[in-house]
Amino acid sequence: GAGVSQSPSNKVTEKGKDVELRCDPISGHTALYWYRQSLGQGLEFLIYFQGNSAPDKSGLPSDRFSAERTGGSVSTLTIQRTQQEDSAVYLCASSLTGEAGELFFGEGSRLTVL
Amino acid sequence: AQKITQTQPGMFVQEKEAVTLDCTYDTSDQSYGLFWYKQPSSGEMIFLIYQGSYDEQNATEGRYSLNFQKARKSANLVISASQLGDSAMYFCAMREGGLMFSGGYNKLIFGAGTRLAVHP
Repeated sequence: GAGVSQSPSNKVTEKGKDVELRCDPISGHTALYWYRQSLGQGLEFLIYFQGNSAPDKSGLPSDRFSAERTGGSVSTLTIQRTQQEDSAVYLCASSLTGEAGELFFGEGSRLTVL
Repeated sequence: AQKITQTQPGMFVQEKEAVTLDCTYDTSDQSYGLFWYKQPSSGEMIFLIYQGSYDEQNATEGRYSLNFQKARKSANLVISASQLGDSAMYFCAMREGGLMFSGGYNKLIFGAGTRLAVHP
């Protein structure tokens, strides 16, 4: 498809397990974002990749969270030793570079930590 | 410090009436961009409108317009002739600064959102 693709759409895991969430951005989009949205809340910025620049990791809540982007395309968000407070929808978005570049969002990965 | 403030957690409007959703922002940059997104109950994020800090005209997109008051640092969204399908969460967002030294652009940050309910 032409949009941002995220997988899995739903993930249920046990506390302490590691999870990986995948994002496939729109082809040609140089910028890629990860946000976290808890139920009924706003979007919490996690990490931002832009082209060959060093990623902006300023939003990662702890060292259990990491993300990489391979070949300037697909990104994986990894959460190690998951905790119940990690339960949320994880949204990925991509955009063209530029100040006015609007973000195109995926449908999100809903993570539930039991 | 909170960069984007949406002071209205919830708003109600009668169908066919206009509604204004408030957004104020905080930045010391002269160049920045302001965005509004809609999130229906289905969860998808839908881009509505964009305003650049140097744009002299208020942005408009169909029934959406952005009331940009630079001196007051406000970027309120106005929805005219509300429809039942407008019921959703609405998020204001900002990207600070123009081209950075690194050659890239700054990240987009979001406000807490306003839940709009349109009544028949």
